[in-house]
Amino acid sequence: DTGVSQDPRHKITKRGQNVTFRCDPISEHNRLYWYRQTLGQGPEFLTYFQNEAQLEKSRLLSDRFSAERPKGSFSTLEIQRTEQGDSAMYLCASSSANTEAFFGQGTRLTVV
Amino acid sequence: SQQGEEDPQALSIQEGENATMNCSYKTSINNLQWYRQNSGRGLVHLILIRSNEREKHSGRLRVTLDTSKKSSSLLITASRAADTASYFCATDAVPGGTSYGKLTFGQGTILTVHP
Repeated sequence: DTGVSQDPRHKITKRGQNVTFRCDPISEHNRLYWYRQTLGQGPEFLTYFQNEAQLEKSRLLSDRFSAERPKGSFSTLEIQRTEQGDSAMYLCASSSANTEAFFGQGTRLTVV
Repeated sequence: SQQGEEDPQALSIQEGENATMNCSYKTSINNLQWYRQNSGRGLVHLILIRSNEREKHSGRLRVTLDTSKKSSSLLITASRAADTASYFCATDAVPGGTSYGKLTFGQGTILTVHP
């Protein structure tokens, strides 16, 4: 257990539905990242927060994706109108300026 | 897009043997990190090597970094069946900017250690 929690661990949804994932980082970490990982690939960066500010978004993050970190603590990642291509593992990580990134166990999304 | 490539894509060895995995990357880096991932789980940080370091050890792990060749290697000595996992290298690279820890991962090496 790295101290980063993600919920849910698994999500199966029908195409076109909206889904929301939650990440609780290590409490003293001000940096929070979301990554997406498809089968057989390494994780790909989606977005980065420093405290509550979203400072970078990958072009992988289409308009259907939105992430928030309202009080600089937990974060949510919402996908609207899900598509089959959204099926992947969504990983959250947190760090501070002096530490490596600690990853959560991920949320595995399956869009049917 | 992936920053680098890992070699081999898959490695199968017997318990007690050493395992070497290689990683190449494309841009200048602040540091390079190695992570381990068991099937369907999150990533566990193994070791970080900074751009001004050439070699680092942690237990049975040895990492080397050659910035002139833009490559790194991870050596696991005296492997155990429990080392079976996927191993990823990741680079922290913000050319001309301040690093904030964003990582770019390779595709990984699947290591299988047979008891």
